[in-house]
Amino acid sequence: GDSVTQMEGPVTLSEEAFLTINCTYTATGYPSLFWYVQYPGEGLQLLLKATKADDKGSNKGFEATYRKETTSFHLEKGSVQVSDSAVYFCALKLDYGQNFVFGPGTRLSVLP
Amino acid sequence: DTAVSQTPKYLVTQMGNDKSIKCEQNLGHDTMYWYKQDSKKFLKIMFSYNNKELIINETVPNRFSPKSPDKAHLNLHINSLELGDSAVYFCASSQGIHFNTEAFFGQGTRLTVV
Repeated sequence: GDSVTQMEGPVTLSEEAFLTINCTYTATGYPSLFWYVQYPGEGLQLLLKATKADDKGSNKGFEATYRKETTSFHLEKGSVQVSDSAVYFCALKLDYGQNFVFGPGTRLSVLP
Repeated sequence: DTAVSQTPKYLVTQMGNDKSIKCEQNLGHDTMYWYKQDSKKFLKIMFSYNNKELIINETVPNRFSPKSPDKAHLNLHINSLELGDSAVYFCASSQGIHFNTEAFFGQGTRLTVV
């Protein structure tokens, strides 16, 4: 079935460090890909998305590129802040009527 | 105005009780979802409705019954609550016709069964 794999957390970084969170997917079709962020005690918020191969999604300094050849959608940020501490979820969605399939989430802690 | 709102935010109840969680969205979306998030943060789809019609019903005990009175509402009723039902339940909505549109999530309902 369709699935999303993310790197195991937690990830702990110092402020201003470079961030990469790996995400790979398995899908029977041609999915849209998403990164969501969940801050403590809150619901999930869309961070960025990409809907076709080689698309780059970007928001708030975060970027991810849809790589069809490697079935990947890695999240990157050049310089993290303490306020980026949260759980990050990679997700895919296929055709109309199908649900979003989420990865297990990666907890990021950024230390001052 | 909150786009997707759930009530209550916290729910503590005893085993065996019946409880409901309500969800409303004001985004005009035609698809709504219920997800369960366990203590390890895994998110699992429970149900999906499109235009008040059930389209996804994952392997969920039949003690869980969703109800969609209209496109803007999707409520979740749980009978005979068990300890293992303790989790955070998220409602979400999206415009289902276009599969590349994102889902919007509510703040979650933390259910604790004691």
